[in-house]
Amino acid sequence: RKEVEQDPGPFNVPEGATVAFNCTYSNSASQSFFWYRQDCRKEPKLLMSVYSSGNEDGRFTAQLNRASQYISLLIRDSKLSDSATYLCVANGGAQKLVFGQGTRLTINP
Amino acid sequence: DTGVSQNPRHKITKRGQNVTFRCDPISEHNRLYWYRQTLGQGPEFLTYFQNEAQLEKSRLLSDRFSAERPKGSFSTLEIQRTEQGDSAMYLCASRQPGQGETDTQYFGPGTRLTVL
Repeated sequence: RKEVEQDPGPFNVPEGATVAFNCTYSNSASQSFFWYRQDCRKEPKLLMSVYSSGNEDGRFTAQLNRASQYISLLIRDSKLSDSATYLCVANGGAQKLVFGQGTRLTINP
Repeated sequence: DTGVSQNPRHKITKRGQNVTFRCDPISEHNRLYWYRQTLGQGPEFLTYFQNEAQLEKSRLLSDRFSAERPKGSFSTLEIQRTEQGDSAMYLCASRQPGQGETDTQYFGPGTRLTVL
């Protein structure tokens, strides 16, 4: 079993739709979590950190449930430019990052 | 450009050859990480340095792989006797000193290795 698991998709949704990604992690010692975005053939870039209280950044909302070891990302009013692969990430200790497989999202006009 | 840089961006080599990649982290970032990413997968941790000290190596880092950061600034990753299974994107990341656990790493553009 992988330490961070997420549905690889692909997700194809129309522009303006709301899309939700889920992720689970197995290492209960993980202290911090992130969502990264990766465009095709580019490096991963931090989208947002994930806090237990939940956090929002514009159209993006991230949630963490430590009891269930579950992380989510919600994208509202999706734009064409949101098309990318979204990587769920846990801090594996010493700040080494443990990545999920990534969920590929395509927003259709 | 003050971001993480990696060279070369692309490398095509024949099986059995040695290759070396370079990573220049963001200035004053004391931690430097190497990851490997294969098609359709997320990046996987290989190794990391704090200044010039290599503090952790993944089981993925076989004896054919060696990484150095001699002066605590740039780092090199060498793969000896390359195999087709080494074909991947090799990513370097760095982070600032003194960051809390909620802060994160900045990635370079990667070196895409193809072993023929």
